[in-house]
Amino acid sequence: RKEVEQDPGPFNVPEGATVAFNCTYSNSASQSFFWYRQDCRKEPKLLMSVYSSGNEDGRFTAQLNRASQYISLLIRDSKLSDSATYLCVVFNAGNMLTFGGGTRLMVKP
Amino acid sequence: NAGVTQTPKFRVLKTGQSMTLLCAQDMNHEYMYWYRQDPGMGLRLIHYSVGEGTTAKGEVPDGYNVSRLKKQNFLLGLESAAPSQTSVYFCASMRSAGENEQFFGPGTRLTVL
Repeated sequence: RKEVEQDPGPFNVPEGATVAFNCTYSNSASQSFFWYRQDCRKEPKLLMSVYSSGNEDGRFTAQLNRASQYISLLIRDSKLSDSATYLCVVFNAGNMLTFGGGTRLMVKP
Repeated sequence: NAGVTQTPKFRVLKTGQSMTLLCAQDMNHEYMYWYRQDPGMGLRLIHYSVGEGTTAKGEVPDGYNVSRLKKQNFLLGLESAAPSQTSVYFCASMRSAGENEQFFGPGTRLTVL
């Protein structure tokens, strides 16, 4: 079983739609959680951290459920520019990040 | 600031050849990492360094060696390339323990024939 699992998608949604991705992690001792965004043939970049109480950044909302060991990302009012792969990332002891395989989002006009 | 840079951007090798990938960062970060990314596999950690002169193995270290002689540079070596090492290689840096955000270079696309 992979340490961080994501549905690879693709999720095809129209502009303006709301879309949600989930991610599960297997290590109950994981300390920190993030969503990174990766555009085609580019490097990953931090989108947002995920806090236990949930957090929002504009159209993006991230939530963490430690009991069930899953993380979610909600995107409201999808834009064409949101088309990318979204990577769920978990930080464990040892200063190492573990990446999920990514969920691909395609927003259509 | 250039951030994290990688050279070369592309390379084609024949099986058995050797090469070194260079990663440089100008942010005075302590931690540096080498990942490979393959379709459907996500990023997998090859080796990392928590400071100048130190290196440690990651998830998939076999067939690779690294060196961190200067704080700003982290080199990844392939002594005898194999087709299984065809991949996109990303370098990343992080300021220090507890910071958590990693900054990535643009990647190196390596093909081994």
